[in-house]
Amino acid sequence: QVQLVQSGAEVKKPGASVKVSCKASGYTFIDYYMHWVRQAPGEGPEWMGWINPKSTSGGTNYAQKFQDRVSMTSDTSISTAYMELSRLRSDDTAVYYCARGRNSGTDYWGQGTLVTVSS
Amino acid sequence: DIVMTQSPDSLAVSLGERASINCRSSQSVLYSSNNNNYLAWYQQKPGQPPKLLIYWASARESGVPDRFSGSGSGTDFTLTISSLQAEDVAVYYCQQYYSTPHTFGQGTKLEIK
Repeated sequence: QVQLVQSGAEVKKPGASVKVSCKASGYTFIDYYMHWVRQAPGEGPEWMGWINPKSTSGGTNYAQKFQDRVSMTSDTSISTAYMELSRLRSDDTAVYYCARGRNSGTDYWGQGTLVTVSS
Repeated sequence: DIVMTQSPDSLAVSLGERASINCRSSQSVLYSSNNNNYLAWYQQKPGQPPKLLIYWASARESGVPDRFSGSGSGTDFTLTISSLQAEDVAVYYCQQYYSTPHTFGQGTKLEIK
């Protein structure tokens, strides 16, 4: 069965960086894009971008809002995707999700990783 | 960016009754070359990630009960639950995947009356 298992909760200070991992199992990792979506407390989901694990150059597409602060990578040898967000601010406090992408939406989601940014 | 606007923000429906949630996009999400609407619906319960219910605006995801249906085309879409069950209490989101960023609606909270 398809599973996406994310790394644990993080507490960071403003200005720091965070890297969240997402280990995939139950399917061929390189056959699907991986999307990253975040959700601030009490808010709706916000799409951050995707990575194509099949691309040797690590094909990515980032929302312009995060373009200068986010980096999405993958390690196909361990079927794991990563999302790193730098220069954290208090309004980056959110649950961050990875989600498997098809050409028709995102069908499997990780359990979420709470990132808290606080001084 | 395509702006997705849902209505209403919240909805209370009696058990067994029909619930309808609307979603409007600021521009068409219909791709003319394949006649597909790049619109999905998700259900989210507290403490859980969103769950894909409907894709291509009207295709039901595997395992989703047939009381859930999607309709619409272009810029106006509707998610309908034909007979509300207690387990359907959740927040529902539409999302367009026609162009990046893949924007979500603000959500509709569905409760039991």
